[in-house]
Amino acid sequence: AQTVTQSQPEMSVQEAETVTLSCTYDTSESDYYLFWYKQPPSRQMILVIRQEAYKQQNATENRFSVNFQKAAKSFSLKISDSQLGDAAMYFCAYRGTSNFGNEKLTFGTGTRLTIIP
Amino acid sequence: DAGITQSPRHKVTETGTPVTLRCHQTENHRYMYWYRQDPGHGLRLIHYSYGVKDTDKGEVSDGYSVSRSKTEDFLLTLESATSSQTSVYFCAISDRDSSYNEQFFGPGTRLTVL
Repeated sequence: AQTVTQSQPEMSVQEAETVTLSCTYDTSESDYYLFWYKQPPSRQMILVIRQEAYKQQNATENRFSVNFQKAAKSFSLKISDSQLGDAAMYFCAYRGTSNFGNEKLTFGTGTRLTIIP
Repeated sequence: DAGITQSPRHKVTETGTPVTLRCHQTENHRYMYWYRQDPGHGLRLIHYSYGVKDTDKGEVSDGYSVSRSKTEDFLLTLESATSSQTSVYFCAISDRDSSYNEQFFGPGTRLTVL
């Protein structure tokens, strides 16, 4: 079974600085998808960024980028120019492709990010 | 934002009572999911549906049942609620026609079982 590990329960960063959240996963599949979701205090789950395993290029979305290391099974999220609105719980998630119809996401336990003004 | 609503948004109930949570979507997506979120566990899949009347179990399905009689509605039922089912419940939808098949989430339902 796939597992996703987020080893940093909490992180903090000064406003306007850069922070990196770690995520590692375990899988025997060769193709899969990885996601970062943000959950602010409103509790809404918001998709931040996504990556397909066979794509070598790291995904970027404005101030958010990933460092995808397939061999190391690592998928870290970098937030540049941190803003107060980035304060949230961040979840890393994995989705495989080998089981048709089983599109479930496997989530990590989350990292709570605090932005220091 | 994806058109997903959940009802009720908050519910307090007593042990042993039946509870039904509703997820409604306006996106006509094929796949629908129910997750629960607990501290230290992230989100875990309870049940999912890949079409009308087509459902399957997730990793934490014991004590839960689901039904999907229409594309837009996916119901989660706790036949006899227990305190261990106190949690925040999220519905999600996805469309296999999307290359990433990413899931979009509803606002969540906070359920407290006393």
